[in-house]
Amino acid sequence: SAVISQKPSRDICQRGTSLTIQCQVDSQVTMMFWYRQQPGQSLTLIATANQGSEATYESGFVIDKFPISRPNLTFSTLTVSNLSPEDSSIYLCSQMALAGGITNTGELFFGEGSRLTVL
Amino acid sequence: RKEVEQDPGPFNVPEGATVAFNCTYSNSASQSFFWYRQDCRKEPKLLMSVYSSGNEDGRFTAQLNRASQYISLLIRDSKLSDSATYLCVVNGDYGQNFVFGPGTRLSVLP
Repeated sequence: SAVISQKPSRDICQRGTSLTIQCQVDSQVTMMFWYRQQPGQSLTLIATANQGSEATYESGFVIDKFPISRPNLTFSTLTVSNLSPEDSSIYLCSQMALAGGITNTGELFFGEGSRLTVL
Repeated sequence: RKEVEQDPGPFNVPEGATVAFNCTYSNSASQSFFWYRQDCRKEPKLLMSVYSSGNEDGRFTAQLNRASQYISLLIRDSKLSDSATYLCVVNGDYGQNFVFGPGTRLSVLP
């Protein structure tokens, strides 16, 4: 299994500000993912954080709103910018499991999530 | 139509009951399939992968029907600790295309 650490675990922010969430994984992985889980909803992929290149964003998510950094293979940040109450959600960092350190097994491991409340 | 659909739930069952969850997916090119479990205020965790031949893990049995694009999860002899939301997850390839269903909430009652 993988160990994924996220911080902050929760935060309350004022609208118009930004929040940066950090994610640290315990193994070097090619792809890390950022998901959003809005209250009572399932998970939606925001973007794939690629090391050495720009993140790949899913439809409906843009870099200006959700800038992502991936300075190395074990660390990534997601910033939620210009916060509004609609951004209140849980943000989850994820990586894909590796078998033998090489082959993707297709299983995702998640951090414990960062619960954001925007007032 | 949503890519992955599940029974709306919630399911409230007594301890010891057998309960079955259904899931359908729209992308016929989907390659891999999973059931995840999410406890309240926790992150999702893999319960089991779903193979074409079907697979069983203790009280849990998963089935896949590619022709009907249908996945199921059967839980036998339900325990209180089985109470959680069960997420059906479909992956189009071994890259990043994981699609999560809306989840089915299960409450096992004493």
